[in-house]
Amino acid sequence: IAGITQAPTSQILAAGRRMTLRCTQDMRHNAMYWYRQDLGLGLRLIHYSNTAGTTGKGEVPDGYSVSRANTDDFPLTLASAVPSQTSVYFCASSESWTSGNTQYFGPGTRLLVL
Amino acid sequence: LAKTTQPISMDSYEGQEVNITCSHNNIATNDYITWYQQFPSQGPRFIIQGYKTKVTNEVASLFIPADRKSSTLSLPRVSLSDTAVYYCLVGGTFWNSGNTPLVFGKGTRLSVIA
Repeated sequence: IAGITQAPTSQILAAGRRMTLRCTQDMRHNAMYWYRQDLGLGLRLIHYSNTAGTTGKGEVPDGYSVSRANTDDFPLTLASAVPSQTSVYFCASSESWTSGNTQYFGPGTRLLVL
Repeated sequence: LAKTTQPISMDSYEGQEVNITCSHNNIATNDYITWYQQFPSQGPRFIIQGYKTKVTNEVASLFIPADRKSSTLSLPRVSLSDTAVYYCLVGGTFWNSGNTPLVFGKGTRLSVIA
């Protein structure tokens, strides 16, 4: 079982460029999430999706967009990258949205915006 | 949305029992309490989850008092490999738009010393 895969593993990006981080899960989970992790700030939720076709904003959504065309994929797009978006990005999924569900995390994407 | 407060860091010697306490004063009736572990350069990993009283698995125990305003993660006989960041999360149930799911705080950095 692969679980959650993320691509790319790492990326150096020029400011102003567009970038899509990919996330795929093979567990048929309904809910998916994108987090960013910065030193000293822990994990912060960017966007989430409780089922295919729906998305919602998390704690730090500005500068990011997501789509959920199907159950398995949840790409995160930076329309015009800025240096403050340098971070480690984690994708996660859970069986459903409701309280009590375990989240499974991918290995992360390390993004450096110059 | 229930916020959590936990110590920023803790040190322990190998073989000792470690207890990490998390405060969540405004926990909702249907919220679960979940703990995650994160090693460097990896995504968080589920450790244990509970609703009330005590839960035990092969990795840890979770103690939750009757008022559920706090919880304590107990790691028995820690080893060097338990050095990680531990996150306490209180679940949020999605009732209407605008609510957000589980929120990660900054976590507790546990350092196990030989």
